[in-house]
Amino acid sequence: AQKVTQAQTEISVVEKEDVTLDCVYETRDTTYYLFWYKQPPSGELVFLIRRNSFDEQNEISGRYSWNFQKSTSSFNFTITASQVVDSAVYFCALSEGRDDKIIFGKGTRLHILP
Amino acid sequence: KAGVTQTPRYLIKTRGQQVTLSCSPISGHRSVSWYQQTPGQGLQFLFEYFSETQRNKGNFPGRFSGRQFSNSRSEMNVSTLELGDSALYLCASSSLSYRDRGPYATNEKLFFGSGTQLSVL
Repeated sequence: AQKVTQAQTEISVVEKEDVTLDCVYETRDTTYYLFWYKQPPSGELVFLIRRNSFDEQNEISGRYSWNFQKSTSSFNFTITASQVVDSAVYFCALSEGRDDKIIFGKGTRLHILP
Repeated sequence: KAGVTQTPRYLIKTRGQQVTLSCSPISGHRSVSWYQQTPGQGLQFLFEYFSETQRNKGNFPGRFSGRQFSNSRSEMNVSTLELGDSALYLCASSSLSYRDRGPYATNEKLFFGSGTQLSVL
């Protein structure tokens, strides 16, 4: 069965600190997709990244970076030099290759304090 | 390009009533998915429509139903409302369905609306 676990319910850091959001997933499929979404206070989910199970390369996009490790079934998200605008709920999600359903983790609420 | 539009933004109903939520996807998108978000359960998948056909369904009772029209707009209906149905209902659209994806497709993603906040009293 598919499952996504975000063990950190809530994190608070001071602006400019680096912060890592953890995501652990479970799936029996060899083909799957992992996602990160950001949900600011407005409620609209914003797509951040999609990663295929075939591609374990880490990715960096500006202050955001993602560490995908199949050996530990983890897909962690790091924000470098955090800013107040990064405050939001972040969701990790999993979709199996044969299915259109996306299973979300419970989310991590991130507070960036000025 | 207009984003995903959900109406209404807020809705208050009483137990036993029924409600219909609307979602207009991004122009050209044929896939529409619905999600329920609650503080306790998080984001849960309801169902997905592609070209007017329901492709996938989550683990929700039959009171939750949906449909998609020929212009890809979708509606979600909840009958006999219960207090536990209070939630933020999110709709997402996509240009591709899984049959169109390959393992190396990187451009497919869901675009979410702002949601409809439903309160059942």
